[in-house]
Amino acid sequence: GENVEQHPSTLSVQEGDSAVIKCTYSDSASNYFPWYKQELGKRPQLIIDIRSNVGEKKDQRIAVTLNKTAKHFSLHITETQPEDSAVYFCAASVLSGSARQLTFGSGTQLTVLP
Amino acid sequence: NAGVTQTPKFRVLKTGQSMTLLCAQDMNHEYMYWYRQDPGMGLRLIHYSVGEGTTAKGEVPDGYNVSRLKKQNFLLGLESAAPSQTSVYFCASSYGRATYGYTFGSGTRLTVV
Repeated sequence: GENVEQHPSTLSVQEGDSAVIKCTYSDSASNYFPWYKQELGKRPQLIIDIRSNVGEKKDQRIAVTLNKTAKHFSLHITETQPEDSAVYFCAASVLSGSARQLTFGSGTQLTVLP
Repeated sequence: NAGVTQTPKFRVLKTGQSMTLLCAQDMNHEYMYWYRQDPGMGLRLIHYSVGEGTTAKGEVPDGYNVSRLKKQNFLLGLESAAPSQTSVYFCASSYGRATYGYTFGSGTRLTVV
């Protein structure tokens, strides 16, 4: 099955700096890569996603890049703010039998220091 | 439009007790999933369903059973709870085979003592 590895597990940045979280996946058939943000005690919420026919996608301060050849994708947050502090999960989606399943990375705790 | 609703939000069980977690969605999603979240391990898939009356095993199905008698509901059962099942459980739903993200419920924090 699919295996998703995420690094780093913790990341601290100064407010206003950029943050980068990286993920690798194992199944070359994966073709959809969402990123979720989970604030403490809350549910994961989709913040951005990218499909395998696109190399980069941007939404205001967040962007995701995908390198299909190397099987890795990254989340970039610019001009970080204290409210960006949360756990971020990457995921990869592969069609398995009749179902499309998401396999998640282990998460990155991002702390933005004021 | 409530999205995905999970009940209960918190529960404490004694080892060997049984319980059922309910997930309800009002978005007419075909696919529904149960995940468990443990520190440092991300979200791991327990069971999923691709439609009413269907269920399938995920990555960590042992000790759990599920049922999808109605399209909008997906139940997760623990027949004989064990301390290793202490976790936060999330239900999610999606449109199906298309490449869409999941909508998650608010989670159930289960402690087995």
